[in-house]
Amino acid sequence: NAGVTQTPKFQVLKTGQSMTLQCAQDMNHEYMSWYRQDPGMGLRLIHYSVGAGITDQGEVPNGYNVSRSTTEDFPLRLLSAAPSQTSVYFCASSYSHKNWFFGPGTRLTVL
Amino acid sequence: TQLLEQSPQFLSIQEGENLTVYCNSSSVFSSLQWYRQEPGEGPVLLVTVVTGGEVKKLKRLTFQFGDARKDSSLHITAAQPGDTGLYLCHGSSNTGKLIFGQGTTLQVKP
Repeated sequence: NAGVTQTPKFQVLKTGQSMTLQCAQDMNHEYMSWYRQDPGMGLRLIHYSVGAGITDQGEVPNGYNVSRSTTEDFPLRLLSAAPSQTSVYFCASSYSHKNWFFGPGTRLTVL
Repeated sequence: TQLLEQSPQFLSIQEGENLTVYCNSSSVFSSLQWYRQEPGEGPVLLVTVVTGGEVKKLKRLTFQFGDARKDSSLHITAAQPGDTGLYLCHGSSNTGKLIFGQGTTLQVKP
C-alpha cells in the first residue's frame, strides 16, 4: 500500500493564481482531512470529509474548496492564492475519527 | 471552541534525561492521540488513549490519559537523540471535531 500520497511536494504561486493540491489514499478510509501547518501554530484543520460526497469546514476554511467524489481522492483547491496561504499542507486519512495517517506534505509558497 | 494546550512548547535536554510533555483542555475528549513529526515529514501516530486513567507504554515512552479525559501526558525516560522531533497531541470529540495542540519541539543533545 502507498498509504496517503500528496502531489506536488513543492509549489510556488503568484498572488491570484489558482491551483489544486492532490491527495489520494489506498486504504479504503472513509475519513479524510486537510491541515495547514505554520510555525508556532501547530496543525489547523481546513476541511474534512466523512465519506464520498460529504464534506465539512474545519477551523480555517476561507479561501479553500474541497470535494469528495470518490473514497480515494480528496483534492484541495485554492481559488485565488494569497501570501497568507504560504504554508505546509498535510492530507490525512483514517478509518475512524481517531487514528490518522498523514501524507508527506505539500510546501506552498505564494509570492 | 475546544482547545488543546501543550506545554512546554520547546524543550532542549541532554541525552539520558527524563522529560514530560503535557496536553490540557477544558473539554472532554472521546479519545486522544499522540503523534511525532520529524522535519520535512508528516506526523506519525504513536498511541491512542481512550479510557480515563489509561496508561500505555511504548518502549521508553509512557502515555497517560487523565481520569476526566480532559488531559494527557507523555513521559520519556532516558531520552535519546533519536527522540528529537515535534510531539503533537490530538483530541477527538464525540461531535467529530478534530483538534491538534500546537506541539512541543523536543531537542535531545548527545
